[in-house]
Amino acid sequence: DIQLTQSPSFLSASVGDRVTITCRASQGISGYLAWYQQKPGQPPKVLIYDASTLQSGVPSRFSGSGSGTEFTLTVSSLQPEDLATYYCQQLITYPLTFGGGTKVEIK
Amino acid sequence: VQLQESGPGLVKPSETLSLTCAVSNDSITRNYHWGWIRQPPGKGLEWIGDIYYSGNTFYTPSLKSRVTISIDTSKNQFSLKLTSVTAADTAMYYCARRLIVAGGWFDPWGQGTLVTVSS
Repeated sequence: DIQLTQSPSFLSASVGDRVTITCRASQGISGYLAWYQQKPGQPPKVLIYDASTLQSGVPSRFSGSGSGTEFTLTVSSLQPEDLATYYCQQLITYPLTFGGGTKVEIK
Repeated sequence: VQLQESGPGLVKPSETLSLTCAVSNDSITRNYHWGWIRQPPGKGLEWIGDIYYSGNTFYTPSLKSRVTISIDTSKNQFSLKLTSVTAADTAMYYCARRLIVAGGWFDPWGQGTLVTVSS
């Protein structure tokens, strides 16, 4: 199975800060990675797919990059509504696996 | 497209968990995988399995011996059965749609249904 390691597992940042979350894969997954945002009490919602493609309707302050084994999700200017837990998921091979999540708190 | 999970919220240990996901505003026979994902309270996401409308299934190895995902094209819904449940199977269970392309991601997701395993 492909393991995904997210870091940090928790971060606290201020409104307007630039925030970066990293997802490392235990083996190469090309660009077959998605990022999801899960707000409290809600199901996850896809933000980024194919490592760097912004899902329609997602604010442009979110961006993704990376290929192979290292990927990043960046929020260019953190907003109060970005309070959530963020997950990466590899989609190159079964079993599909998720990272452990990064909980983002607003200071 | 909307997905809606349904099923008992309480299941006794050793019994079978059964959930259904009703798909509306889209045909379940279109080119998608239909999947189940679960999330124990306060924990992360775990993919359970996918099914294609032809009936082809894919399961996570840790649950493979206990899980069955099936599809009912006449009702436009798919189902999850998990046998011999324990407290460790207590979780929010989500159904979701996944494109059949390389790297197809899950979108959209249902709202989820909480299943508690307890006597």
